[in-house]
Amino acid sequence: DIVMTQSPDSLSVSLGERATINCKSSQSVLHSSSNKNYLAWYLQKPGQPPKLLIYWASTRESGVPDRFSGSGSGTDFTLTISSLQAEDVAVYYCQQYYSFPQTFGQGTKVEIK
Amino acid sequence: EVQLVESGGGLVQPGGSLRLSCAASGFTFSDYSVNWVRQAPGKGLEWVSYINGVGGIIYYADSVKGRFTISRDNAKNSLYLQMNSLRAEDTAVYYCARYPALTVLPRYFDYWGQGTLVTVSS
Repeated sequence: DIVMTQSPDSLSVSLGERATINCKSSQSVLHSSSNKNYLAWYLQKPGQPPKLLIYWASTRESGVPDRFSGSGSGTDFTLTISSLQAEDVAVYYCQQYYSFPQTFGQGTKVEIK
Repeated sequence: EVQLVESGGGLVQPGGSLRLSCAASGFTFSDYSVNWVRQAPGKGLEWVSYINGVGGIIYYADSVKGRFTISRDNAKNSLYLQMNSLRAEDTAVYYCARYPALTVLPRYFDYWGQGTLVTVSS
């Protein structure tokens, strides 16, 4: 199984500041034939299901604010929130869909400083 | 509007059984592969099972293989998870989650239900 490891486990950021979350996979999730990274990002607020933010490592889901961006390739990926808003307080998860079983990172909790 | 609504959760004793359902609406159910994903209280996300559009291709996580059975009824726009030989470690919120297409390859989950809580305890 591909192991996904996020860092940090928690993050405290001031409103309007940048938040950066890292995700590392135990093997590459870059598919050579398609040249796509099989990596997604979700946010989850308390009592709610996860919500898709980013797929193919850097494609923003429809309706997601452009302050959210994804980058990286191979085994190392980053989710950046360019200017943290109060509504961004949540737990963020990365997920690989390169192979079954699909696996998630352990989550990164983002709070307001 | 795409909607996925889970039901069937509850309290069950270790070794018992439970059947979860997920009612889909707002899209052509048979055109999409769907999954069950679970989340233990205060923990992260764990993929449980996958089924393709016609139900001919099915995958399970090793942790539930041989105990859980996924199925679907496209005429009823419904997804099911039959859970047998339940253990305390199966306690979780179970989400129904859709892939963005009909695919036999893993994908990201574009829509999720609100989840149903399964508690395995004596």
